[in-house]
Amino acid sequence: SQQGEEDPQALSIQEGENATMNCSYKTSINNLQWYRQNSGRGLVHLILIRSNEREKHSGRLRVTLDTSKKSSSLLITASRAADTASYFCATDSNDYKLSFGAGTTVTVRA
Amino acid sequence: GAVVSQHPSRVICKSGTSVKIECRSLDFQATTMFWYRQFPKQSLMLMATSNEGSKATYEQGVEKDKFLINHASLTLSTLTVTSAHPEDSSFYICSARGGQSNEKLFFGSGTQLSVL
Repeated sequence: SQQGEEDPQALSIQEGENATMNCSYKTSINNLQWYRQNSGRGLVHLILIRSNEREKHSGRLRVTLDTSKKSSSLLITASRAADTASYFCATDSNDYKLSFGAGTTVTVRA
Repeated sequence: GAVVSQHPSRVICKSGTSVKIECRSLDFQATTMFWYRQFPKQSLMLMATSNEGSKATYEQGVEKDKFLINHASLTLSTLTVTSAHPEDSSFYICSARGGQSNEKLFFGSGTQLSVL
């Protein structure tokens, strides 16, 4: 079942700008993960943040997690045309399944 | 990292035929695999959890006789769409947990099914 809600649904930015997208969820989690999907392809894992962590970095990616608000954000800094993709958050609860959000489609204009 | 291979990448078939999709974990053993369905510009909908050596667990509303899942080995799960109809046309993706802590999902590249 789908737990996460993401906003915005779509985002269009200029190359070099930052892209921020948000994810909200409903139940308690063990961790929250972000995935990327290029059109017509499978998903690729980007970053995982555990419920006891507040912020995590990986290259140009920065993820925050606020468990009190049940929300997370993904920031892509200095975006490139190759960052054009759909981005999904996924929550990992106690049932061994990941629940995916609706996704944010990011378009980076050259 | 862990690699999941999914075949075929695209299938076009006539209404009433059955289609088999394979999902293989190439460099790790996957006791559990997941099958998703995705409509254009939408999120992934979990269809079923495939368990090696036992019956798959289907999500509510997914017909188990329509979508047959077989997980006969630690590296292979198959999804068969039986008697496919145009409404079954969709993007099907498999995944398996892997990595050091088994928390991440590794995805196949997906299968686009078009039923005429």
